[in-house]
Amino acid sequence: AQSVTQLDSQVPVFEEAPVELRCNYSSSVSVYLFWYVQYPNQGLQLLLKYLSGSTLVKGINGFEAEFNKSQTSFHLRKPSVHISDTAEYFCAASLQGGSEKLVFGKGTKLTVNP
Amino acid sequence: KAGVTQTPRYLIKTRGQQVTLSCSPISGHRSVSWYQQTPGQGLQFLFEYFSETQRNKGNFPGRFSGRQFSNSRSEMNVSTLELGDSALYLCASSLDPGPNEQFFGPGTRLTVL
Repeated sequence: AQSVTQLDSQVPVFEEAPVELRCNYSSSVSVYLFWYVQYPNQGLQLLLKYLSGSTLVKGINGFEAEFNKSQTSFHLRKPSVHISDTAEYFCAASLQGGSEKLVFGKGTKLTVNP
Repeated sequence: KAGVTQTPRYLIKTRGQQVTLSCSPISGHRSVSWYQQTPGQGLQFLFEYFSETQRNKGNFPGRFSGRQFSNSRSEMNVSTLELGDSALYLCASSLDPGPNEQFFGPGTRLTVL
């Protein structure tokens, strides 16, 4: 069975600082990988996804993530964060060629301070 | 294009009651999935429907059930509610099954007293 681990439950940073949110996955087969963001009292919005091809994936709002198969990681990065990036971020995986159900990590609460 | 809509947005029930939640996917989307979000367990997959057929089911008791209609709208039902069923229930739709982007609705906040 696949699982997704987000190593940090909370990440506080100052505005305009870089940030990295860590995600590791465990699966015996190939997976698709996703990062979603959830703002308070809202549903989830897709930031970016890795299906195949280039291991560096660029998403919306200036975020990017790098797929590392040897380290089974899919860390999310942004070079300079804004107050408006304060939200909860979820890493998720689904099996290639299998069910489309998403297996989510526990989430990382990013707080951007002025 | 309208997004995924879920009704009602908030619901308060008592233990032992049953509840039905509704989800209308984005127009043209035929695949609908349901997730439960709680502070302790995080986001957990409930079911996935496509063309009125349940394609996959998560590890939840039989009190949780769902269905999809011919217009792709979906409902989920929880019978004999327990306190632990208090959660945010999220519906997501996508064009078809596959690694497509799932678009999430705002959720229904269920509180069981």
